[in-house]
Amino acid sequence: KQEVTQIPAALSVPEGENLVLNCSFTDSAIYNLQWFRQDPGKGLTSLLLIQSSQREQTSGRLNASLDKSSGRSTLYIAASQPGDSATYLCAVFCLPDKLIFGTGTRLQVFP
Amino acid sequence: EAQVTQNPRYLITVTGKKLTVTCSQNMNHEYMSWYRQDPGLGLRQIYYSMNVEVTDKGDVPEGYKVSRKEKRNFPLILESPSPNQTSLYFCASSLMGQGGDTQYFGPGTRLTVL
Repeated sequence: KQEVTQIPAALSVPEGENLVLNCSFTDSAIYNLQWFRQDPGKGLTSLLLIQSSQREQTSGRLNASLDKSSGRSTLYIAASQPGDSATYLCAVFCLPDKLIFGTGTRLQVFP
Repeated sequence: EAQVTQNPRYLITVTGKKLTVTCSQNMNHEYMSWYRQDPGLGLRQIYYSMNVEVTDKGDVPEGYKVSRKEKRNFPLILESPSPNQTSLYFCASSLMGQGGDTQYFGPGTRLTVL
């Protein structure tokens, strides 16, 4: 059974720092991996989608990597800003057409 | 504007009173799904649908029903709600299901069952 783990559960950093969020999964048979952002009381917003054949994806200050063989993904946030404060979730899409989520990393960026 | 909408956003009800949470998407997506989010447990899939008239169970389907009569709508039905169904519910859609695509989420429905 696929399990997705995110470490750390919470992170508090000063503005401007570069930071890395980690996601690990137990079964490498995945179609893709997605990173989402969730603001308090709001829905999820997809940030990056990495197909199983890809190694990384970039969008602005965000870079996500995928190492399928070791069951790991990282989300790199460059030059963090207070507006980046949110919960970040990773999710893997695997058979049979299921999206399995990690429990998230709550990020706080303070000025 | 491309979006997934859910109604109601907030609902307080009593045990046993049937309710329906609606979900609609305007992106002509084939894949739709329902999740519940609980503290410490994360998001768990309840049901999903690959296309019209095709639905399948997710990880926590007990106590829920769904239907997919039209491509754009995917209502979640609680025939006899119980307090353990108090949760935050999300509907999501994507262009295709198999292989996976970017998932678009609705704003959520916070349900309290007394």
